[in-house]
Amino acid sequence: DIQMTQSPFSLSASVGDRVTITCRASQGISNYLGWFQQKPGKAPKSLIYAASSLQSGVPSRFSGSGSGTDFTLTINSLQPEDFATYYCQQYYSYPHNFGQGTKLEVK
Amino acid sequence: QVQLVQSGAEVKKPGSSVKVSCKASGDTFSRYIISWVRQAPGQGLEWMGMIIPIIGITNSTQKFQGRVTITADKSTSTAYMELSSLGSEDTAVYYCVGQRGNRVPEYWGQGTLVTVSS
Repeated sequence: DIQMTQSPFSLSASVGDRVTITCRASQGISNYLGWFQQKPGKAPKSLIYAASSLQSGVPSRFSGSGSGTDFTLTINSLQPEDFATYYCQQYYSYPHNFGQGTKLEVK
Repeated sequence: QVQLVQSGAEVKKPGSSVKVSCKASGDTFSRYIISWVRQAPGQGLEWMGMIIPIIGITNSTQKFQGRVTITADKSTSTAYMELSSLGSEDTAVYYCVGQRGNRVPEYWGQGTLVTVSS
């Protein structure tokens, strides 16, 4: 099984800040990596697919990069609605494991 | 794109089983792989297993093998996840997720809360 290690576990930031979340796969997954945003009581929402492609309707302040084993999600100019929990997921091989999640909180 | 609507919340006794449904609409059911993901209270997302409805192939993590049964009814465009021998640790929100081919699994059901309590 491919393990996904996400960091940090939590992050405090302010509106307008730039933040970066990292995700590392235990073996190469090419670009089969997605990023999801989850707000309390809601299902996760897909933000990024294929490591760096933005889903339709997702603001351009979100961006993803990486290939192989190391990936990042960057949020530029944080907005109030961005405070949530973020997960990476590999879909290269089964099981499609998730990272542990990063809770982005208001500083 | 597909919309996935799940069955309602369940309360179960320890040792019993639960069966959650996930009905697809808006697109051809056979185009999708349906996965099941769960989230215990305050915890992260845990991938459980999947089914390719058009050919009936399933896969599940070792953790759930022997306890989870994932099926699909093509005639009603509905996928099912049955979990047996429930314990309190199975209290969670269970999601079905739709994936087209080798694209990202991006179509999520609304979630079904399963509470296991005596």
